[in-house]
Parts: sequence; structure tokens; C-alpha cells
Amino acid sequence: EVQLLDSGGGLVHPGGSLRLSCAASGFTFTSYSMGWVRQAPGKGLEWVSLIDGSGVDKYYADSVKGRFTISRDNSKNTLYLQMNSLRAGDTAVYYCAKDSLSRDTFFDNWGQGTLVTVSS
Amino acid sequence: DFQMTQSPSSLSASVGDRVTITCRASQSISTYLNWYQQKPGKAPKLLISTASSLQSGVPSRFIGSGSGTDFTLTISSLQPEDFATYYCQQSYSMPLSFGGGTKVDI
Repeated sequence: EVQLLDSGGGLVHPGGSLRLSCAASGFTFTSYSMGWVRQAPGKGLEWVSLIDGSGVDKYYADSVKGRFTISRDNSKNTLYLQMNSLRAGDTAVYYCAKDSLSRDTFFDNWGQGTLVTVSS
Repeated sequence: DFQMTQSPSSLSASVGDRVTITCRASQSISTYLNWYQQKPGKAPKLLISTASSLQSGVPSRFIGSGSGTDFTLTISSLQPEDFATYYCQQSYSMPLSFGGGTKVDI
């Protein structure tokens, strides 16, 4: 059974940093691209970032480019999102999600989410 | 970038109703369109990929159709557990993008 366990959220001041983690199990981690999707309180889903199975190819939404860094440790089956220069607008529940093996990118399994609150 | 527009943003329906949600892409995305269901306080769940491919375990009352720029998600007979918010997502190209969501309630 695929399991994704998000962690690392919390309260941070504007301009601060936070690192999210996603521990994966139940599938061959290195075979799949992984992503982060966020949801601001009461709002819709927003794609944040994607990384391929090898960790080489990385993609970012314009809203986080230059501030967030996605990475993975395939020896630990763990996905990360390093978030720097945080703003109030980054307040959201952050979900890690597993890509399918299809040619295109959609997410067939999701973590439970971790809440990031950016506030002074 | 591809903009995804869902309509309506919310709807009220009854158990047994046929419900249709529309998703429109700003440019053609072929059939690279996926649908998710999200219940309050829960992570999204993938229902349909590539416009019409039902995911394993998803009831057959969920039907996806469309290609190009216009897509629909139909729930043929609404059940109590279907009251949720539904999102479309294009997977044609980066950056990935979601529609604004359609909340289905009683």
C-alpha cells in the first residue's frame, strides 16, 4: 500500500525558512516523479513543484521560483521542499503527491498534508 | 501557461440527481485532463485521468469526457458520499494547473 507522510509544517515569520519532508513507502520510490501541491485556507489547489525520479529534472510554479527548492533522497525514500523567503501568501496546507507512470503528470496518491502558516 | 476554468463554482443537488461539471482549458490540451475529488479536511483523490479513464476502485457513476478545450465530469446518480469539491487539472504541459473547483452540496 502506498503511503506518503508529510511533515515539517508550522508557524514561521515572514522572510523565514522551513523545510517540509514527505516519507514514502509501499512503492519503488526512484521510479516515480514526486510533487508538491498546496491549498491556501478556503481556496483551491495550486501546483508548486515537481521532481523526476532521479532528482535531476525539477520544475516550479512561477509563484515560488527562486525561493523554494525541491529535492529527494532516494536512499531514504524521502521528498523535501525547502522554502525560503516565506510570505503571508505562502500560508497553506502543503501536500506531497506521487506521479503516475503515465507519460503526462497527474497525482495518483497524496499525503495527508502539513500546514504552513506565515505570520508575524 | 494553460488556464483552467471550471463551472459552476458550486451547485446544490439531491441524492439520485445527475450532475455535470464543466472544465475549459485556455488552449487545446488534447485529452490531458484529470479529475480529483476532495472532501473537507482530506487530501484530494484522483478519480479520472486522461479525460475519461476511471481509476481503479472509483464507482462507474463517475464519467469523464471531452477533448481539446472542453471537458465534463458527470456523476450519473449522486450518492451521499459524493458531496465534495471537484477539481480538474491539465497535464499537457508545465506548469501544471488546476481549475478553481466545483463544490457539490445538498
